[in-house]
Parts: sequence; C-alpha cells; structure tokens
Amino acid sequence: RKEVEQDPGPFNVPEGATVAFNCTYSNSASQSFFWYRQDCRKEPKLLMSVYSSGNEDGRFTAQLNRASQYISLLIRDSKLSDSATYLCVVNGGSNYQLIWGAGTKLIIKP
Amino acid sequence: EAQVTQNPRYLITVTGKKLTVTCSQNMNHEYMSWYRQDPGLGLRQIYYSMNVEVTDKGDVPEGYKVSRKEKRNFPLILESPSPNQTSLYFCASSATAMNTEAFFGQGTRLTVV
Repeated sequence: RKEVEQDPGPFNVPEGATVAFNCTYSNSASQSFFWYRQDCRKEPKLLMSVYSSGNEDGRFTAQLNRASQYISLLIRDSKLSDSATYLCVVNGGSNYQLIWGAGTKLIIKP
Repeated sequence: EAQVTQNPRYLITVTGKKLTVTCSQNMNHEYMSWYRQDPGLGLRQIYYSMNVEVTDKGDVPEGYKVSRKEKRNFPLILESPSPNQTSLYFCASSATAMNTEAFFGQGTRLTVV
C-alpha cells in the first residue's frame, strides 16, 4: 500500500459544478497535511493547508478525517482555471519528510 | 522577490557524463530538498538538508549526491548518469522541516541517452 494514495483521475467536470476528491494516508502519526496544485509541467504550489477542524479558502474547502485517515478537497463553482493536478501531501514521522501523492488530474470543461 | 532558482531548465546528456543541477534560494530557508517526478509516481524525495552541512538520504538517493556548503545553495550531482535517471527534477525549500510551505524551483527536465 502506498503511503499516500490519490485517485489519478482525470475528473472531467463542467464549469460551475462542484467537485471533490480524497486522499488516504497510511501513517497514523502524520501531523501536517497540505493540498498543492500543479499546472502541466510546472512546479507545485501550495493551495492550502488542512487543519483538524477543516478550513475554507474561497471556493475551496479542505477537511481531515483522522479516524479514517484521509483528507479531502472540495471545489465549488469550478472555473476553467481550476484545471490542474492536485497533489496531496502528508508530513509525519521522525524524519519530517513530506510524502506526496501522485496527484489527481482535474479538467474543467466549458 | 522570494524564489527558488534551478538551472538548467532542460538538459540532454549522455550516459556516464557527470552533471550538476544547481539550486539557490533567497529566503534564508533552513530546509532544502530535491525531488524527482515521474508519471504515475508523484514526487519522490532524493535528498534533503536540514541546514548547512547537514544532508540525508530521501527515498531514492541511489546515483545522486548533494552538498550544502552554504545556506542558499543545494546542488544535485549525478556522477555517472544513466537512462533511468531521465526525469523531471524539482528543488524545494522551506523555512523549517515541518508545517511550513515548500517553495519549488521551476524544475529541470533531464534526459539521459
């Protein structure tokens, strides 16, 4: 089992729709969680951190479920510019490594 | 402007010819790391550095070397590149090892023939 798993997609979603995807992690001691966005062939950039109580940033909502060991990202009123690959990142363990999921590709269609 | 700079952006080389990919950050970050990204595998950490003169292996260190003689620079060295090292490489830095945003360079697309 991979340490961090994501559905690779692609998720094909019409503009204006709501889309959600999950990411599961295997290390129950993980302490920090993030969502990054990566545009094609470009560097990843932080989208948002994920807090225990859940957090929202505009159209984006992130949630953490420690019991089931997954985090989620919800995008409301999706825009064409939301098309990208979304990377789930988990930080934990004794060596502070960031463990990256392989990403979920999202395509927003007009 | 706060940034991480990698060079070169693109490189085609032959098997066995030593190469260095440079990485420099201007944010006074302590923590720096190198990743490779391959289709379907996500970002895999090659080496990381907690501070000057402190480096350690990541998940896929074989065939790579690094050094951290200055805080701002963290070069990646391939002593004898092989075709299986063809990949997209990213350097990243963050203020500390945990709970802080990682800033990435623009990537280096390496092809070894």
